[in-house]
Amino acid sequence: GQNIDQPTEMTATEGAIVQINCTYQTSGFNGLFWYQQHAGEAPTFLSYNVLDGLEEKGRFSSFLSRSKGYSYLLLKELQMKDSASYLCAVRSRRGRDGGATNKLIFGTGTLLAVQP
Amino acid sequence: GAVVSQHPSRVICKSGTSVKIECRSLDFQATTMFWYRQFPKQSLMLMATSNEGSKATYEQGVEKDKFLINHASLTLSTLTVTSAHPEDSSFYICSARSGETGTYNQPQHFGDGTRLSIL
Repeated sequence: GQNIDQPTEMTATEGAIVQINCTYQTSGFNGLFWYQQHAGEAPTFLSYNVLDGLEEKGRFSSFLSRSKGYSYLLLKELQMKDSASYLCAVRSRRGRDGGATNKLIFGTGTLLAVQP
Repeated sequence: GAVVSQHPSRVICKSGTSVKIECRSLDFQATTMFWYRQFPKQSLMLMATSNEGSKATYEQGVEKDKFLINHASLTLSTLTVTSAHPEDSSFYICSARSGETGTYNQPQHFGDGTRLSIL
């Protein structure tokens, strides 16, 4: 089966750096995505990793280690508007019955509160 | 960038009513669309995968007769919640990915969601 774990909540200070971790167990791993979701809104895409290493995009970076089933999202120079839920999502090449799927399964999300 | 439009954004209706939600990919063709449900303070739960021209694939525990999915074209999928009851009240979100083969690194783009409230 698939299992994705993230911390439920985190708090950080404006201007600081915060790292949100995600661990996963899945068969047929085919990529890991990070999304940001503000309350009452749809998720917006932040980053994608399919190979090991760090992907940097402005203030946001995401890291992946496939052997460890581990990823993190790094947010630098935090701003108040970064207060949101951050969702780790894993794409699996195989479904429960072993068939092709490529559907995206989401973790529970990490609610980040940025304080002044 | 890719845009997904979802309509309506909010529905309030009486118990027993059937509600149809539309999901459109505006600037790309989507052979596959996904329907998610999200309860307050919880993450997105995949309900079903909508495939153009064929039957939808439902996740375990999701009643296909309750949640009817139709993907009649490459840009439109609809979810109909039949005979809705208060426990069906939730935030329903669709998403689509542009292309299929060779484009697995393309992210899924989400609609703005539909907040369904059944009285």
